[in-house]
Amino acid sequence: GNSVTQMEGPVTLSEEAFLTINCTYTATGYPSLFWYVQYPGEGLQLLLKATKADDKGSNKGFEATYRKETTSFHLEKGSVQVSDSAVYFCALKDDKIIFGKGTRLHILP
Amino acid sequence: DTGVSQDPRHKITKRGQNVTFRCDPISEHNRLYWYRQTLGQGPEFLTYFQNEAQLEKSRLLSDRFSAERPKGSFSTLEIQRTEQGDSAMYLCASSFGDKYGYTFGSGTRLTVV
Repeated sequence: GNSVTQMEGPVTLSEEAFLTINCTYTATGYPSLFWYVQYPGEGLQLLLKATKADDKGSNKGFEATYRKETTSFHLEKGSVQVSDSAVYFCALKDDKIIFGKGTRLHILP
Repeated sequence: DTGVSQDPRHKITKRGQNVTFRCDPISEHNRLYWYRQTLGQGPEFLTYFQNEAQLEKSRLLSDRFSAERPKGSFSTLEIQRTEQGDSAMYLCASSFGDKYGYTFGSGTRLTVV
């Protein structure tokens, strides 16, 4: 069945460091791909999405490119801030959204 | 519209008791989803509705769980004879059709003691 695998956390970085969170997926068709973020004490929020191969989703300085050839959707940010500390979930959608296990990101000032 | 609302935010119950959670979706959204999230895991799909029709149920949804959306607006999720393994965050989400992303509520945290 469809599934999402993302790198395990926690990931700890210093402020202004470059961030990559790896995500790969398994799907029978051509799903839409998402990154959701969960800040401490808050609900899940959509961070960015891509609906077809080679699409790039971007928001708040974060980017991810839908790579069909490597079945990947890695999340990147050039310069992280303390306020980016949260749990990040990679997800795919066929008829419903399927989430990865999440990656906790901790940014040190 | 203030988004997806879930009630209560927290529920502590004794093992064996029944509990019911409520979700109010965004008013124009016709699809409503229930997920369960345990500590350190991603949300796991439980069930979803299109209007009042329940279209899919995960095998995670044992016969102790039942969900309804009687008028195609709010939804309830009931757990009968709760077990400690039911302790989790129960998330509700809604969407308009299946072409768009979901909007999630803040969840109901259930603790079974």
